[in-house]
Amino acid sequence: DTGVSQNPRHKITKRGQNVTFRCDPISEHNRLYWYRQTLGQGPEFLTYFQNEAQLEKSRLLSDRFSAERPKGSFSTLEIQRTEQGDSAMYLCASSFSVVSTNEKLFFGSGTQLSVL
Amino acid sequence: SQQGEEDPQALSIQEGENATMNCSYKTSINNLQWYRQNSGRGLVHLILIRSNEREKHSGRLRVTLDTSKKSSSLLITASRAADTASYFCATASGNQFYFGTGTSLTVIP
Repeated sequence: DTGVSQNPRHKITKRGQNVTFRCDPISEHNRLYWYRQTLGQGPEFLTYFQNEAQLEKSRLLSDRFSAERPKGSFSTLEIQRTEQGDSAMYLCASSFSVVSTNEKLFFGSGTQLSVL
Repeated sequence: SQQGEEDPQALSIQEGENATMNCSYKTSINNLQWYRQNSGRGLVHLILIRSNEREKHSGRLRVTLDTSKKSSSLLITASRAADTASYFCATASGNQFYFGTGTSLTVIP
């Protein structure tokens, strides 16, 4: 399978616990994005990487959230001290971009987080 | 906050009919894209229209873009039950993509 892979598919955790999600993008893609989506809403931008550099972070991304993309390959998104409001689908997308006017995103199936 | 708004929020049609959904956005864009999402899954890219284009076709899909009105429409012709999904517009501005709130389409067999 050469698509974007996300693990785990589902995560149930208790409030206050830390969770980590992983995203494996399409191998030749240089950009990687994290989005959060709640029921009935569109994806909301969290952060994105160009290769290993984290170039932009949303104001939605509080200091409890951290993302990494070591070596410009897979990425992890960690949420510390989870809160019930963190419950959402976390989506990863990747793209190969040279000219921004043609860039399109390839999404993984997401990680559904439930904080009890 | 999200950049765009889709209209209608929900649409229910009979198989074979055409489905039209609209998207309005707020700022200048490089391009506008439409994505589809089946329940509990990730989004799938459907079609991209650049800011200097006015209309684009791909199979049963037709997209229009009016940059003066900051709006776009997606037409799905001869709909099928398998087209049942949520549809999102996404505007590309700088290095960010902003998604709308989506239109939930139900195609009744």
